[in-house]
Amino acid sequence: QVQLVQSGAEVKKPGSSVKVSCRASRGTFSSFAINWVRQAPGQELEWMGGIIPIFETTRYAQKFQGRITITADESTTTVYMEVSSLRSDDTAVFYCTGGYCYGDSCPTYDFNDYDMDIWGQGTTVIVSS
Amino acid sequence: QSVLTQPPSASGTPGQRVTISCSGTSSNIGNNYVYWFQQLPGTAPELLIHRDTQRPSRIPDRFSGSKSGSSSSLAISDLRSEDEAYYYCASRDDRLSGWVFGGGTKLTVL
Repeated sequence: QVQLVQSGAEVKKPGSSVKVSCRASRGTFSSFAINWVRQAPGQELEWMGGIIPIFETTRYAQKFQGRITITADESTTTVYMEVSSLRSDDTAVFYCTGGYCYGDSCPTYDFNDYDMDIWGQGTTVIVSS
Repeated sequence: QSVLTQPPSASGTPGQRVTISCSGTSSNIGNNYVYWFQQLPGTAPELLIHRDTQRPSRIPDRFSGSKSGSSSSLAISDLRSEDEAYYYCASRDDRLSGWVFGGGTKLTVL
């Protein structure tokens, strides 16, 4: 089954951007969706957005709309998330998490048809002046 | 404030059975699958239960999930010290068009 391997930790200045990657190893992107989830220090998990790479269909949480961009490169089975206008309260561990499409018509454009089964190891982003 | 409501803490002694609840609405749990994750300190979450009650083959049958209406529960039987962790529930939310999580429950094995 697919494993998700994320890029390394980053330290960024307020106002800058960060681009985090998530590579699927031991598998392909077909019938798979990837989501990004944030966990601030000592806090709960928070969904940021997701992508169905085979269709390049994206969906973003309203809170992050306009500030994050999720893209996919099928040739390298890698998904990227770029977060702009970083603030100190963006300091968090960012996880990519994905799952296979289930049902009779996979792959589909509907995010509701995909599980959330597999997690990357997490990428720590520290925003500090 | 999380969309899904979990108790902040739970506890039990080795060998006991504990349950963790997760309460939502018709917009999320009531109309979508529930997923349960375990997060050990300093590690990424790991799937325990998906699609309400289904357990991946690598997860021991001590873990089980249930759902009734807009609420779900995770049960852990034969509690062990290695079960001490945070547990999160998650579901899709039709109104928010995305995933929502519970605030997490810290399980302590006494």
